[in-house]
Amino acid sequence: DVKVTQSSRYLVKRTGEKVFLECVQDMDHENMFWYRQDPGLGLRLIYFSYDVKMKEKGDIPEGYSVSREKKERFSLILESASTNQTSMYLCASSHDREVSPLHFGNGTRLTVT
Amino acid sequence: GQNIDQPTEMTATEGAIVQINCTYQTSGFNGLFWYQQHAGEAPTFLSYNVLDGLEEKGRFSSFLSRSKGYSYLLLKELQMKDSASYLCAVRDSNYQLIWGAGTKLIIKP
Repeated sequence: DVKVTQSSRYLVKRTGEKVFLECVQDMDHENMFWYRQDPGLGLRLIYFSYDVKMKEKGDIPEGYSVSREKKERFSLILESASTNQTSMYLCASSHDREVSPLHFGNGTRLTVT
Repeated sequence: GQNIDQPTEMTATEGAIVQINCTYQTSGFNGLFWYQQHAGEAPTFLSYNVLDGLEEKGRFSSFLSRSKGYSYLLLKELQMKDSASYLCAVRDSNYQLIWGAGTKLIIKP
């Protein structure tokens, strides 16, 4: 079974802090994704990566950046946390872009005060 | 724009059958996914449809009509553990996933 591990289940940070969310997958997947999930909205794609050191902006990249130095690890960075970034953050990976489903981590619930 | 519509909430009785609908308008179509998400947990993959018709997997079935931009997820012999949100997602012509907001299914004894 694919395992996608997110480093924290819950985080509380202050406005203006730099926040790192870590994600590791163990199935040698090429593709990794960061989403945020808010009540009443579908999953919204922040950034994705189809290869090491490669990154592409999703639908809502503003205020975020990512890093993929190794194939198994994809990090999401909030450069200066704001209250509107309070959300559930989900990391996912997939074997290919065409037909494979996404495998999700358990999520990180981030609260910015 | 691209859009996925599904009901916000549904209620059903333990042991019964429920059908959760999903309609979509997307730029192209490269497959439709259903995921289950229990409260506070990650979405887990349930089914994938790329051709018209019904795909059956145990108590769960998923149907697709590409000409109508329509899919449904059918859950039979409902159990209390089926209480969850069900997410519909479509892969568009660029292989990006477009997500519905999810349907919260409440199962009553």
